[in-house]
Amino acid sequence: GAVVSQHPSWVICKSGTSVKIECRSLDFQATTMFWYRQFPKQSLMLMATSNEGSKATYEQGVEKDKFLINHASLTLSTLTVTSAHPEDSSFYICSARGKGTYTDTQYFGPGTRLTVL
Amino acid sequence: QKEVEQDPGPLSVPEGAIVSLNCTYSNSAFQYFMWYRQYSRKGPELLMYTYSSGNKEDGRFTAQVDKSSKYISLFIRDSQPSDSATYLCAMSLFTSGTYKYIFGTGTRLKVLA
Repeated sequence: GAVVSQHPSWVICKSGTSVKIECRSLDFQATTMFWYRQFPKQSLMLMATSNEGSKATYEQGVEKDKFLINHASLTLSTLTVTSAHPEDSSFYICSARGKGTYTDTQYFGPGTRLTVL
Repeated sequence: QKEVEQDPGPLSVPEGAIVSLNCTYSNSAFQYFMWYRQYSRKGPELLMYTYSSGNKEDGRFTAQVDKSSKYISLFIRDSQPSDSATYLCAMSLFTSGTYKYIFGTGTRLKVLA
């Protein structure tokens, strides 16, 4: 089956620093990657959609300068939380949609828990 | 009206029970229907995927889609404590050159030993 990994699985940082989260599709080429944010006991909130080689499309209310997304290859997308603040603390999950048999659905990574002190 | 409605629960059942989880949707253009399972502090895991009306079975899980009623269900037979998780329904359609996905809010299930 399709496997998506994320790194790191958890990170603690000081307020004002930047944090980069990697999302990789391990056994398929991801033409589209999605980034979600999830607060405790709440559903997924789509932040942005990125297609390989093009700029990400951000959902309304998501600051593109705050959450930088790069989808440089068919197997890697990164989310950088710039100048992180405590309110950015959350569970960030990526997912990927690929070519061929993986086209019609999303496969999720295990998530990254970010805590900003 | 939300595009996808899902009862958040929590739903508590005894071990061995048959569990029925449901979602309704409003957009008849949805083509693909999925169920994900999410354990606490983990990413969602794809359980079932279907694109046509009818039933699809995989082990203890059965996904049911009724496009005429805009209603999808996930049945879990012989439920186990390890099935305790949040179950998310999702659906998608291809529009304007891209896939659009909508997720339900998730139903929290607790299977009691």
